[in-house]
Amino acid sequence: GENVEQHPSTLSVQEGDSAVIKCTYSDSASNYFPWYKQELGKGPQLIIDIRSNVGEKKDQRIAVTLNKTAKHFSLHITETQPEDSAVYFCAARLRGKLIFGQGTELSVKP
Amino acid sequence: GAGVSQSPRYKVTKRGQDVALRCDPISGHVSLYWYRQALGQGPEFLTYFNYEAQQDKSGLPNDRFSAERPEGSISTLTIQRTEQRDSAMYRCASSLATGTRVGETQYFGPGTRLLVL
Repeated sequence: GENVEQHPSTLSVQEGDSAVIKCTYSDSASNYFPWYKQELGKGPQLIIDIRSNVGEKKDQRIAVTLNKTAKHFSLHITETQPEDSAVYFCAARLRGKLIFGQGTELSVKP
Repeated sequence: GAGVSQSPRYKVTKRGQDVALRCDPISGHVSLYWYRQALGQGPEFLTYFNYEAQQDKSGLPNDRFSAERPEGSISTLTIQRTEQRDSAMYRCASSLATGTRVGETQYFGPGTRLLVL
């Protein structure tokens, strides 16, 4: 089955710096890769996603890149703000179901 | 409703009791998913439905867990003879459709926190 590895588990940056979170997946049949932000006490909320036929996607300060050959995808947040502090999860979709990474706790220090 | 709703939000039960967790998806969403999330971990897939048909139940831990969606809308996840290890956050998600460019986003509900004593 699919396995998604996510690194780092914790990330601390200064406000205004960039943050990068990386994920790898194992099953080449996975075709859709969403990123979710989860704040304390709330459910995961989609922030950006990318399909397997696209290499990069950007939405304001957030971008995702995908390398299908290496089975690797990354989330990039630029100009971080304190409100970006949360747990971020990557996921890979295989036959309808999402397989999630272990999460990255991002802390943005003012 | 505006989003996915789940009830109850919190459930405390004694070991050996049965529990039923309810999910009300976004109106018109074809697909409904159940996940379980342990503290500090990512959601773990349990099962999912397209309309009323259960498509994949490979993530259900054992035969004490079952789910149904009889009319293709509301779904119930039932855990029989609960055990302490069943304690977790149970999350439901729905999507407009599966495998389509615009309909594949899964929207998550607030979850049901289950505690088995």
